[in-house]
Amino acid sequence: NAGVTQTPKFQVLKTGQSMTLQCAQDMNHNSMYWYRQDPGMGLRLIYYSASEGTTDKGEVPNGYNVSRLNKREFSLRLESAAPSQTSVYFCASRTDGYSYEQYFGPGTRLTVT
Amino acid sequence: GQQVMQIPQYQHVQEGEDFTTYCNSSTTLSNIQWYKQRPGGHPVFLIQLVKSGEVKKQKRLTFQFGEAKKNSSLHITATQTTDVGTYFCAGETNAGKSTFGDGTTLTVKP
Repeated sequence: NAGVTQTPKFQVLKTGQSMTLQCAQDMNHNSMYWYRQDPGMGLRLIYYSASEGTTDKGEVPNGYNVSRLNKREFSLRLESAAPSQTSVYFCASRTDGYSYEQYFGPGTRLTVT
Repeated sequence: GQQVMQIPQYQHVQEGEDFTTYCNSSTTLSNIQWYKQRPGGHPVFLIQLVKSGEVKKQKRLTFQFGEAKKNSSLHITATQTTDVGTYFCAGETNAGKSTFGDGTTLTVKP
């Protein structure tokens, strides 16, 4: 039981390049989330998916797209990276039912030069 | 939109001293969660509070949810070096999305 896994762990991009961050969970959760965390700040929600086949914008969706490929996988795509997207990206999934606990992956540290 | 403010931003304590962080929401919450993040790590769930006025304890940690369900606090008694990290609250409305505070970073001097 690996929990939430993310790839890659580190990435350096040049401005204008594109890339996809991968996230998978093996806990059979319906809800999945993508957050970004800038230095000294909390986590800001980029996109979330309440169930397979549905996605919705969070607080800071501009410059990103997502795909909920199946119940396990939720990917985040940067079409044309900008230096302002330098951040640590966390994927999370959540238990269904009464508990609101979110399980976080280890994060992807992205630098855009 | 919903805003969650957390204070203080930083807290430096001597080992054995107490520590408190406060969280305030601009809107009424359906629940609030608390997370701890160690340096270089990812957030780890500590607890959730759902009921108005709820108080929960985990060993030296005490969590409270305000009567109006708009504020919360985390209190650590007799801090230890293992308590270092950043503590985040995450407030959720009935919309099902959590808004995180900016966190309180705790350092403990042995």
